[in-house]
Formats: sequence, C-alpha cells, structure tokens
Amino acid sequence: IAGITQAPTSQILAAGRRMTLRCTQDMRHNAMYWYRQDLGLGLRLIHYSNTAGTTGKGEVPDGYSVSRANTDDFPLTLASAVPSQTSVYFCARDRGTAGNTIYFGEGSWLTVV
Amino acid sequence: QKEVEQNSGPLSVPEGAIASLNCTYSDRGSQSFFWYRQYSGKSPELIMFIYSNGDKEDGRFTAQLNKASQYVSLLIRDSQPSDSATYLCAVTGANSKLTFGKGITLSVRP
Repeated sequence: IAGITQAPTSQILAAGRRMTLRCTQDMRHNAMYWYRQDLGLGLRLIHYSNTAGTTGKGEVPDGYSVSRANTDDFPLTLASAVPSQTSVYFCARDRGTAGNTIYFGEGSWLTVV
Repeated sequence: QKEVEQNSGPLSVPEGAIASLNCTYSDRGSQSFFWYRQYSGKSPELIMFIYSNGDKEDGRFTAQLNKASQYVSLLIRDSQPSDSATYLCAVTGANSKLTFGKGITLSVRP
C-alpha cells in the first residue's frame, strides 16, 4: 500500500563522506517527507516538500539537504556525514491536503562510523 | 514547541484483555489525529485516524478524541500476541505537519 521505495535499505558510511538516500513514490502525491527515528526520541521531521519544486525545513534539518525536481523523487543528502546521523531514515508521502494520512517507506538504516 | 506525549511504557496485557493507549497534545489548534503501529525493524503503518470528538471504531480498534482535554486514546479489544508492537500517536497542527509521540511498546502475553 505504501507506494514508496527507498534505497539503500542499509548502509555503513565513513564519517565525512557524502551520502544520498533515494526516495521514489508511484502515487503522484503532492507532499513528501523525510523523518529520522532514534531510540528515545521518536520520529522527527527533517525536511518536507509540499509540491514539486518546493521544500521546507522540519524539526532537525541541520546537516541535511533535499531537492524536489519532480513529483516522484525526493532525495535526502548528507553532505558530510557525522556519527550523530546514525539513524533509520523514513521517507513518507501524502496528498498534501489538510488531515490527509501519511504513508511511510520501508526505511533506510544508516550507520556512520 | 508543540508536543505530543504518550504515557511511558512498556505496557503488558494478557491475551484477550483490553489494551488502553493514551496520548496528550499541547497544540489546541491540532486538527487531525492518528495512530500508527510499528513492528520491530519495520516502518510505521497507519491503523486509525480521527478528526472529530468522540469515538471511532474499526474492528477491534477504537480511537477516542477529546479536544477539550487535548487527549486521544486507542483501545484494542481482545488483544492478540500479534498486536505486540510499538504504537505511535501523531497529531497534525495548524501547519498541517505531523508531530509524533515517542511511542509506547505493547506486549500481549499469550
């Protein structure tokens, strides 16, 4: 039901390296999101996009960037990874209208060493 | 800082019992309320949403919303071991963005 694909599923990355997490949806929904989930901290919004061509900052945007060149793709880039970015990252989508429900991808497990 | 608080767990109930999961939120402008279930190592999946005060039932699940008291709850009747998971409360504020609680882990004992 998710209609959203993330890649890679998991990755071990050396600190200081650049990494892009890919997210693609096939539902043509307007809004897309990136969350990170950490033990004891729950799900926190990193960046979002209400529609193609626009992006916005969430609760924890520092160290991350996103782009939304088209409706289907919403990549998340770590320009220079640090160990505190070790987390599981979830991409999500919804229609972008008020009250609409968010559906998550399967997640990308990232370890920065 | 808009907050969503879930009572600390973990919560353990015997099979067949009612599990009651509670959530409070700080933003009075919140408009939509959701419950997600997350199995270990998996992504959150939506199980219930509620927009209006009162109860909403879907099978063994009932969501309850009280905007005056700023709480939303999830009741799981006839709990099954397969209900063992972490349950996340999420609230949409006036900015239409979801804020999640930290979750509560439910364990259903056979």
